[in-house]
Amino acid sequence: DVKVTQSSRYLVKRTGEKVFLECVQDMDHENMFWYRQDPGLGLRLIYFSYDVKMKEKGDIPEGYSVSREKKERFSLILESASTNQTSMYLCASSLQASRKDEQFFGPGTRLTVL
Amino acid sequence: DQQVKQNSPSLSVQEGRISILNCDYTNSMFDYFLWYKKYPAEGPTFLISISSIKDKNEDGRFTVFLNKSAKHLSLHIVPSQPGDSAVYFCAASGMSGNTPLVFGKGTRLSVIA
Repeated sequence: DVKVTQSSRYLVKRTGEKVFLECVQDMDHENMFWYRQDPGLGLRLIYFSYDVKMKEKGDIPEGYSVSREKKERFSLILESASTNQTSMYLCASSLQASRKDEQFFGPGTRLTVL
Repeated sequence: DQQVKQNSPSLSVQEGRISILNCDYTNSMFDYFLWYKKYPAEGPTFLISISSIKDKNEDGRFTVFLNKSAKHLSLHIVPSQPGDSAVYFCAASGMSGNTPLVFGKGTRLSVIA
């Protein structure tokens, strides 16, 4: 079974803090994704990565950056957290060149910025 | 500009009855569609998918129907159970491999006992 893990289930940070959200997958997937989920807005793609050291902007990259130094790990960074970044953050991975395009999600990190 | 639309934010259904969740898409390049189910405080989990070469795919209580001419798909759950209460996301893909899925905003299904 594919397993995608996220470093924290719940996180509380203060405005202006630098925040790291870590995601690890154990199935040697090439593709990894970061989403945020907000009520009424669904899943919005922040960044994704096709390979180590590769990154692509999603629909809402502003205020975020990412790092992919190893294939299994994809980090989301909030350089200076703001209250409007309070959200549920979801990491996902998928196998490149898979016709099914199925993405496997982690359990999510509920981030609150005070 | 939403390419995948789930126009019903919520749906309530009596236990044992059929639940029908709808999804519309605008991009004719989409050729693979997926449904995900999400419980609170958990990540979405894959439920069922359908390729554009088919018009129906069935897996137990879950059936997805695809109407390409109308650019519409629907998820049928029958019979509905209280454990089906969750948010359901429709997603679409136009190419294999590198392209991220495009998700709808989700429909919250409540199955009432």
